[in-house]
Amino acid sequence: EIVLTQSPGTLSLSPGDGATLSCRASESLSNTYFAWYQQRPGQTPRLLIYDISTRATGIPDRFSGSGSGTDFTLTISRLEPEDFAVYYCQQYGSAPLTFGGGTRVEIK
Amino acid sequence: QVQLVQSGSELKKPGASVKVSCKASGYTFTGYLMNWVRQAPGQGLEWMGWIDTNTGKPTYTQGFTRRFVFSLDTSVSTAYLEINSLEAEDTAVYYCARPYGWGILYAFDIWGQGTVVTVSS
Repeated sequence: EIVLTQSPGTLSLSPGDGATLSCRASESLSNTYFAWYQQRPGQTPRLLIYDISTRATGIPDRFSGSGSGTDFTLTISRLEPEDFAVYYCQQYGSAPLTFGGGTRVEIK
Repeated sequence: QVQLVQSGSELKKPGASVKVSCKASGYTFTGYLMNWVRQAPGQGLEWMGWIDTNTGKPTYTQGFTRRFVFSLDTSVSTAYLEINSLEAEDTAVYYCARPYGWGILYAFDIWGQGTVVTVSS
């Protein structure tokens, strides 16, 4: 099973700041099957990025994904009030599909 | 529009069973697998497995092989998750989630609204 470890656990930032969220895989991903999700309080997860760097439909361009091998990054260029949420990474190239433990982005 | 609508919250006693439904609309139900994801209170997302909507064949990940059953009724475009012999540790929100393409090598772009299952005596 590929274990995904997200860091930091919590990020305290202000609106307008940039955010960098990390996800490290326990073994190298030999494919591009990697995604990021956003979950606002009390809401359903929402797909942000798939295939490492492709934005899902309707996702603003302030969200970007990058990485390869074992290290992946979600970057939010300028935080809007609605971006304060929990973010999860996921690999879907190897069963069992796995999620990271999440990074909470909170208002400082 | 494309959506998954799940059944409502459930409160069950330990040892009972529960069946959660996930009704799809706006797309061809048999054109996509259906996944199930669990989220325990205050915790992260945990993939439970998927069901092939063409053959009805379920695939369960470790930890969800004994008391959990995925099933379908394709005539009403609905997937089901049944949990038997409920335990307190089954208290969670259960989501159905559709990948954006056919097969398992796709992220989940459509999610149900979640069904809260509470197990308490």
